[in-house]
Amino acid sequence: QQPVQSPQAVILREGEDAVINCSSSKALYSVHWYRQKHGEAPVFLMILLKGGEQKGHEKISASFNEKKQQSSLYLTASQLSYSGTYFCGTDYQGAQKLVFGQGTRLTINP
Amino acid sequence: EPEVTQTPSHQVTQMGQEVILRCVPISNHLYFYWYRQILGQKVEFLVSFYNNEISEKSEIFDDQFSVERPDGSNFTLKIRSTKLEDSAMYFCASREQGAVHTQYFGPGTRLTVL
Repeated sequence: QQPVQSPQAVILREGEDAVINCSSSKALYSVHWYRQKHGEAPVFLMILLKGGEQKGHEKISASFNEKKQQSSLYLTASQLSYSGTYFCGTDYQGAQKLVFGQGTRLTINP
Repeated sequence: EPEVTQTPSHQVTQMGQEVILRCVPISNHLYFYWYRQILGQKVEFLVSFYNNEISEKSEIFDDQFSVERPDGSNFTLKIRSTKLEDSAMYFCASREQGAVHTQYFGPGTRLTVL
């Protein structure tokens, strides 16, 4: 039931792009993306609802492919501040608990 | 901007002792959650709480755990007899009523069981 994130880790140079995927074997109601820096709480980035919706937040955007039960997070022209672990939280029932993936560690080097 | 707050930030306890972790959710939120994160691992759901009762709990949330909303602002997680494996970061989260809403996480309480 736990979503699977890929890749597990990414190392980029500042200005490069990254894509993080979150796949589920079970039908999704929504996908929530969070970024967590070391020793801190997860910080909300965006919610994707079923229906192939794409949302954007500055240079970070995401899509939801209902057919594949997959969400992808796109980080373009990465900045040093984007470093952290990205988690997708999946909601299967609507409005209740989030089941998180194992996380993708993103390292941005100057 | 309103935020979820948690106290204490760090709690050290002896195995077998009881601990109470406290959370103050965002004031107009009606759904409350506890999650935990063992060091270096993913965030795991423990329990959700709505309308003064538990709406869902995970396998982790056994008889040693309980939650309470003792007044209009606080939301607590009690562990009756702590075990070494309870050592983790515990996050409280809250959200508004509605079909899909963001869960806002508090800064967490680091629990260390010796």
